[in-house]
Amino acid sequence: QLQLRESGPGLVKPWETLSLTCTVSSGSITSGTYYWGWIRQPPGKGLEWIGAVYYNGNTYYDPSLRSRVTISLDTSKNQFSLRLTSVTAADTAVYYCSRLVSQLERLVDYWGQGTLVTVSS
Amino acid sequence: DIPMTQSPSTLSASVGDRVTITCRASESVGRWLAWFQQKPGKAPKLLIYKASTLQSGVPSRFSGSGFGTEFTLTISSLQPDDFATYYCQQHNTLWSFGRGTKVEI
Repeated sequence: QLQLRESGPGLVKPWETLSLTCTVSSGSITSGTYYWGWIRQPPGKGLEWIGAVYYNGNTYYDPSLRSRVTISLDTSKNQFSLRLTSVTAADTAVYYCSRLVSQLERLVDYWGQGTLVTVSS
Repeated sequence: DIPMTQSPSTLSASVGDRVTITCRASESVGRWLAWFQQKPGKAPKLLIYKASTLQSGVPSRFSGSGFGTEFTLTISSLQPDDFATYYCQQHNTLWSFGRGTKVEI
């Protein structure tokens, strides 16, 4: 059964870079069947799309974050990662990694459990 | 991106009630609209995709309809397990979420 597991620091200082990794437990991230994405949720607020990556390295970012975000694949470890630069308190959120079905117009069908990242000095 | 307007933001209901949540897109998203359920401290769960297709394992009391810019999620008879927050999401042009509807007792 598929498992998506986020990992990374739970505390990041302002203006530093947030880095998270998502480990995919079954299936290869290099299959063209799926995209791989990141979504976040500030405490007590709604869901915010961050971006996604395809097996060929193509990336798709939300316009509001595009200048600060990089999503990439590590095929040797079956992982994908998120980097968000110059973070502020507004980036404090639970970060979810997700799977998207390419044949259903990149539908999000599976989520990781989420990891809380707090931006604070 | 495509802003999604979801209403109401909060809905008070009782067990057995019929509940309807509306989601409007600022431009057409065709049928590429999904509904998610989220409980406190948990990741969202996919309920409905392609506007009206029930995800495997989701109870049949959930249904979705709509096309283009207007969509609805209906729970035909609210059960205790259904008290949660519901989000719509379009994935026709990149992705964007509605702000959520909290269904409370």
